[in-house]
Amino acid sequence: EAGVAQSPRYKIIEKRQSVAFWCNPISGHATLYWYQQILGQGPKLLIQFQNNGVVDDSQLPKDRFSAERLKGVDSTLKIQPAKLEDSAVYLCASSPGTSGRLYRNEQFFGPGTRLTVL
Amino acid sequence: SQKIEQNSEALNIQEGKTATLTCNYTNYSPAYLQWYRQDPGRGPVFLLLIRENEKEKRKERLKVTFDTTLKQSLFHITASQPADSATYLCALNTNAGKSTFGDGTTLTVKP
Repeated sequence: EAGVAQSPRYKIIEKRQSVAFWCNPISGHATLYWYQQILGQGPKLLIQFQNNGVVDDSQLPKDRFSAERLKGVDSTLKIQPAKLEDSAVYLCASSPGTSGRLYRNEQFFGPGTRLTVL
Repeated sequence: SQKIEQNSEALNIQEGKTATLTCNYTNYSPAYLQWYRQDPGRGPVFLLLIRENEKEKRKERLKVTFDTTLKQSLFHITASQPADSATYLCALNTNAGKSTFGDGTTLTVKP
């Protein structure tokens, strides 16, 4: 099966500019995640969708970050305006499981988008 | 606040030996725990999942243990190979599938 697709792979912007990332999950996967991974750290969850509803966005900086999942399939993550500390890799992951179906909750990650804010 | 700690330093071992990585956590009651492998420039890849009521899971040369009393998981790679060199991440999960990742341990297996 095809994996999780993300674009672009790399992006360089000036601070205060806007940027958007796109993710296409594995077909049929109900759950979609966006993570931020700063160099040397583990992925930090920004937002979790189940189908097209938000399950958790408690760590999403809502004053500058926004995300949507259209028709429960593709998703976009936007940063507006960007700050220097937003420089990181943004990972999208999808999972086939739904709440309670523990055995299918492994996450499949895309290659990530490396964002550099100058 | 919730805290996850993995081996604080990089782990270097000789080929053929067993690598043991630790994942300790506090202020958390996970429903299950996962281990992932991450290579430079790539997204993490799922390896193993263990539930709170399971003590041990195995898959080929990999073994995971989960002790909810000690709040610790151990990840073992037996007969290690240079190709096993990577960063290994543990992730604690709620029943809703929310994941909290540790910062990872970088394993280097020397020939």
